[in-house]
Amino acid sequence: AQSVTQPDIHITVSEGASLELRCNYSYGATPYLFWYVQSPGQGLQLLLKYFSGDTLVQGIKGFEAEFKRSQSSFNLRKPSVHWSDAAEYFCAVGDRFQKLVFGTGTRLLVSP
Amino acid sequence: DTAVSQTPKYLVTQMGNDKSIKCEQNLGHDTMYWYKQDSKKFLKIMFSYNNKELIINETVPNRFSPKSPDKAHLNLHINSLELGDSAVYFCASSQGPTSGHDSQYFGPGTRLLVL
Repeated sequence: AQSVTQPDIHITVSEGASLELRCNYSYGATPYLFWYVQSPGQGLQLLLKYFSGDTLVQGIKGFEAEFKRSQSSFNLRKPSVHWSDAAEYFCAVGDRFQKLVFGTGTRLLVSP
Repeated sequence: DTAVSQTPKYLVTQMGNDKSIKCEQNLGHDTMYWYKQDSKKFLKIMFSYNNKELIINETVPNRFSPKSPDKAHLNLHINSLELGDSAVYFCASSQGPTSGHDSQYFGPGTRLLVL
């Protein structure tokens, strides 16, 4: 069974600074990896996903993530954070039946 | 146009009642899901249906019963509600299950509070 660890419960970043959110996964086969964002009181929005090919994946809102098989990681990055990026971020790993297993989330706070 | 919609948005009810949450998607997708998000924001899949057929059925009390009248709708009926059922329930849909990497699109959630 697959699992996901997001080691940081919350992170505070200054506006304009770079961001990296960590995600480690466990899955016996080729993983399908996703990052979702959830703003307060809202549903989840897909930022990006990886399933094959180039290990650096570009997403919406200026986010990117890099798949590193040797480290079982799929970290999310953004070069310059905006105040509107403050939200909860979820990493997820899926299997071929589209069963998504989510991490516990990282809350991003953006300071002025 | 709302892609995945849920009704109601909020649901406050007493223990022991039976309630339903409705979900509709207008994306033409074949697969729909129900997820539960608890008070600690932990998200867990409950069910998935592909073209009205049950695909994923996680360890969920049998008080929860999904119903899919057609591939655009997946409703969740909950019998004998308990305090622990209080959570946010999300519906989602995807094109699949042609592959494991189809994107899932989430609805806005239904906030259920059991008193």
